[in-house]
Amino acid sequence: DQQVKQNSPSLSVQEGRISILNCDYTNSMFDYFLWYKKYPAEGPTFLISISSIKDKNEDGRFTVFLNKSAKHLSLHIVPSQPGDSAVYFCAASATGGGADGLTFGKGTHLIIQP
Amino acid sequence: SQTIHQWPATLVQPVGSPLSLECTVEGTSNPNLYWYRQAAGRGLQLLFYSVGIGQISSEVPQNLSASRPQDRQFILSSKKLLLSDSGFYLCAWSGLEKLFFGSGTQLSVL
Repeated sequence: DQQVKQNSPSLSVQEGRISILNCDYTNSMFDYFLWYKKYPAEGPTFLISISSIKDKNEDGRFTVFLNKSAKHLSLHIVPSQPGDSAVYFCAASATGGGADGLTFGKGTHLIIQP
Repeated sequence: SQTIHQWPATLVQPVGSPLSLECTVEGTSNPNLYWYRQAAGRGLQLLFYSVGIGQISSEVPQNLSASRPQDRQFILSSKKLLLSDSGFYLCAWSGLEKLFFGSGTQLSVL
């Protein structure tokens, strides 16, 4: 049972336009959500997070939106740059849920075209 | 500052051979440590986590095992590798509600 779903394996966006990556979750206990970025042959790096008490968090070109009623979150990147080409993982956790880390989606490969 | 070291970066092993991947963390004490695997076309799958020396929790039944002989050392092992063990293995530690990953090991079992 996949609790965090990223239904788009890949996404192609033109440089300078907005990239929107989507993520859905099923576990209502999740209350903290993160996005990670991963380049080939490297470990994922933390990008941005959001707590369930918020519906938006912004950090420079990156904004994460959370819709708790729909159990949906999205990552907006604007404007998209060539260096944004990477695999993006959505992850979730439940406060007090124990030490068993984060639950990740399968990732979306974002390709920024010049 | 905290750093996490993982080695080797790449490894090619024949089927049936043993495996030992090592991970060490610096700059923090008593960290929660994790082994994840990213297989081709799949997400990040949690394999093992540890909350302290000698304490290992397994998330999925498999051909692999983990050990934590020291506070900041986490080892992933196998006695006999299978083809299906191929993948990108990641060690991580948790802090500030985030996971911090090592650089990963690309394991190819042939």
